[in-house]
Amino acid sequence: EVQLVQSGGGLVQPGGSLRLSCAASGFTFSNYWMTWVRQAPEKGLEWVVNIKHDGSEQYYMDSVKGRFIISRDNSQNSLFLQMNSLRAEDTAVYYCARFGDSGFDLAYWGQGTLVTVSS
Amino acid sequence: QSALTQPRSVSGSPGQSVTISCTGTSSDVGAYNYVSWYQQHPGKAPKLMIYDVSKRPSGVPDRFSGSKSGTTASLTISGLQAEDEADFYCCSFAGAHYLFGTGTKVTVL
Repeated sequence: EVQLVQSGGGLVQPGGSLRLSCAASGFTFSNYWMTWVRQAPEKGLEWVVNIKHDGSEQYYMDSVKGRFIISRDNSQNSLFLQMNSLRAEDTAVYYCARFGDSGFDLAYWGQGTLVTVSS
Repeated sequence: QSALTQPRSVSGSPGQSVTISCTGTSSDVGAYNYVSWYQQHPGKAPKLMIYDVSKRPSGVPDRFSGSKSGTTASLTISGLQAEDEADFYCCSFAGAHYLFGTGTKVTVL
């Protein structure tokens, strides 16, 4: 059974940093692109960033470029999101997700973790 | 990188059909056959319902179907059931990045 279990998140002050983790199991992690998607309170889904199966390519949404860093450790079946220079508008539930076998859909999702940026 | 446009809400009685539109541009929906649809119940993670415009993952009822014409994709729910009441989001590949739709609340009357 595919599982994505997230950890990290919490309350952080504006300008602060936070690291999210996503532990994968039930599939060959190193074979799949992974992504982070976020959802601000009472708002819609927003794609944030992708990482290639081997970590060699990453693609970011414009508003997080230079502030967020996606990475992965295929030996530990783990995905990470390092979030720096956090802003109030980054407040959201963050989901990690795995792409499907066709490559362009999000077939499996983590449970989500809330990040609140506030003083 | 603007969100794809969806109606804010649609509704129908049990057994009826509803269709949700998802309008993009020639750079996203119109350029690729990589539109997917997600169902999200309150407080839950999204669930994949349709991928590659019209394909259904294993376990998704065949009441759910997808299509695309030009820059607009659509999700149709036939034989609406109470458990279909949820938020639905489309998503399109847009060349190295992805765009989600604004979201549609489906209400079963």
